[in-house]
Amino acid sequence: QKEVEQNSGPLSVPEGAIASLNCTYSDRGSQSFFWYRQYSGKSPELIMFIYSNGDKEDGRFTAQLNKASQYVSLLIRDSQPSDSATYLCAVSEENTGFQKLVFGTGTRLLVSP
Amino acid sequence: GAVVSQHPSWVICKSGTSVKIECRSLDFQATTMFWYRQFPKQSLMLMATSNEGSKATYEQGVEKDKFLINHASLTLSTLTVTSAHPEDSSFYICSARDRGTEDYGYTFGSGTRLTVV
Repeated sequence: QKEVEQNSGPLSVPEGAIASLNCTYSDRGSQSFFWYRQYSGKSPELIMFIYSNGDKEDGRFTAQLNKASQYVSLLIRDSQPSDSATYLCAVSEENTGFQKLVFGTGTRLLVSP
Repeated sequence: GAVVSQHPSWVICKSGTSVKIECRSLDFQATTMFWYRQFPKQSLMLMATSNEGSKATYEQGVEKDKFLINHASLTLSTLTVTSAHPEDSSFYICSARDRGTEDYGYTFGSGTRLTVV
């Protein structure tokens, strides 16, 4: 069974700090990795996607992928209270042909003013 | 960017009735759409993969006769919860991917909160 693991949290950081969210996956053949943010009662919204090993930066967000270690992380710089949400890591099962996503259980982030 | 519209956003129905949820890709063609269910404080669980012009592929444990999926066009997929019961109350979300570009992840609809009373 393909799994995506995340620490459920909550991860508490003060405003302005760096929040580090981690995710590990079991399927070594996975190729595409996504981070989604979900506010309570809302549907997920895409923050970042990454396909290649290394770092990918977009504004305050940096995704890091290490396929050898099978982990992907998300760094949020200058965290804001509005960043408080659940962050879902998702991995694409490329071998199915439909590229469906497997989600982790999410990490709840709390940014205090 | 890719936009997925989902309707209705919330619905309350009586036990034993059926409810239809629509998912539309507004600015791209989606040959494949995905239907998820999310219970409170849990992650998204894939229910089925909807394929335009063919039968849906259901995940293990999901009753295909209870959750009817129709993907009759390249921009519309529908999920019908038949003979709904209180345990079907959940947040249902569809998603799709614009295969016209590799730069987009999967886009989600706004979700439908179903309450069966």
